[in-house]
Formats: sequence, structure tokens, C-alpha cells
Amino acid sequence: DQQVKQNSPSLSVQEGRISILNCDYTNSMFDYFLWYKKYPAEGPTFLISISSIKDKNEDGRFTVFLNKSAKHLSLHIVPSQPGDSAVYFCAAANTDKLIFGTGTRLQVFP
Amino acid sequence: NAGVTQTPKFQVLKTGQSMTLQCAQDMNHEYMSWYRQDPGMGLRLIHYSVGAGITDQGEVPNGYNVSRSTTEDFPLRLLSAAPSQTSVYFCATLSDTGLGYTFGSGTRLTVV
Repeated sequence: DQQVKQNSPSLSVQEGRISILNCDYTNSMFDYFLWYKKYPAEGPTFLISISSIKDKNEDGRFTVFLNKSAKHLSLHIVPSQPGDSAVYFCAAANTDKLIFGTGTRLQVFP
Repeated sequence: NAGVTQTPKFQVLKTGQSMTLQCAQDMNHEYMSWYRQDPGMGLRLIHYSVGAGITDQGEVPNGYNVSRSTTEDFPLRLLSAAPSQTSVYFCATLSDTGLGYTFGSGTRLTVV
């Protein structure tokens, strides 16, 4: 049973435009959410996080939105750059466990 | 550089062989964990440890053993490798502030 879902396996966006990556979760006990970025042959790197008591967190070009009632979070990247091309994983934390989604491959083209 | 070190980077095993994937960290983090990454499955938690002497199961623990005798090391053992264990394995630590996990660069394991 997949507790964290990323329903879009891939996303293609033009440079300069907004990228929106979505994530849904099923367990209301998750209290912390994170986004990770992964390049080929490298480990995931932490991007941005949000606590369940907030609905928005912003860090430069990256903003994460959390809708607890819908059990949905999203990552906005504005403006998108070619270097943002990677696989993005959302993750949800509950006590000692961090559960990942299946990932969305973002491609930013010129 | 400080961080999480995984060895080996690549490994090919025959079915039934055993091996240990090594993970070492020098950040003095109490929490360490092992994930496997498979196409279409994302990263799935195998085992984790909240400190030396304490381990617990994640989402997909079957076929794997772990131990945590020191804060620095968290080895993952495959006692009898199976083709279904072909995957990329990542070790991760969590800082005591609880903000963000640090991942190693991964071990690509192929079981033939």
C-alpha cells in the first residue's frame, strides 16, 4: 500500500516557466514533509521541507504548499532552469520513518 | 568531506551468495537508515536505526539484516542474495535537529 504517491512519472517544462510537482499521501499521522532532488548516479539531496502546522514554505525559487485536508502537497519551481532537470521525490515523515513517493522526472527544455 | 560513505559502489553477486553493504558516517548522527530504489517504486525503507544497539524494520525488510554496534557504521547484510534484490541501495542519516536526511551516493547491486 503506497502511503505517498506521485501520480505523474514525468513532467516537461520550458525554461523560465513554472514547474509544479504534486504529491498525495494517505496517512494523516505524517507530521513533516520533504522534497528531494536526485541526479543519475547520485544520492538524493534535500531540497525543501514543510511542517504539518504550516501550509507554505518558500526558499528562493522553490515553494512547497501543503493542503492537509486534501492530504496533498506540491512543489513549485519558478522560474524553471535546465539545471533543475532531475528526478524529484516527495517524502513524508512520521516518528522514526521517512516514506518516499515514486518520483517525478522533471525535464526543463530551452 | 563529512557525510555518508557507502561501499562498494557496484557489486555483482550470484544467486545465493552473501555480502555486506557498508555505510559509514562522520556526522555523529544517531539515526541511520537503508533504502532501495527500484524503477517505478521510488525509495523504499528497508531497515533503520535510532542509535547504537537499536534497529527496526522498514517497509521491505525481508532478506536483509542489519546491526548497529557503533554510531558511525550501519552495515546491511544480504545472507542469500536473490535476483529480486537487484537494486540501487542508499544509506541515509538524519541530523539531530530532524531537518533533512543526508544520503550516500548509493551501491548498485546486481544479482544474477
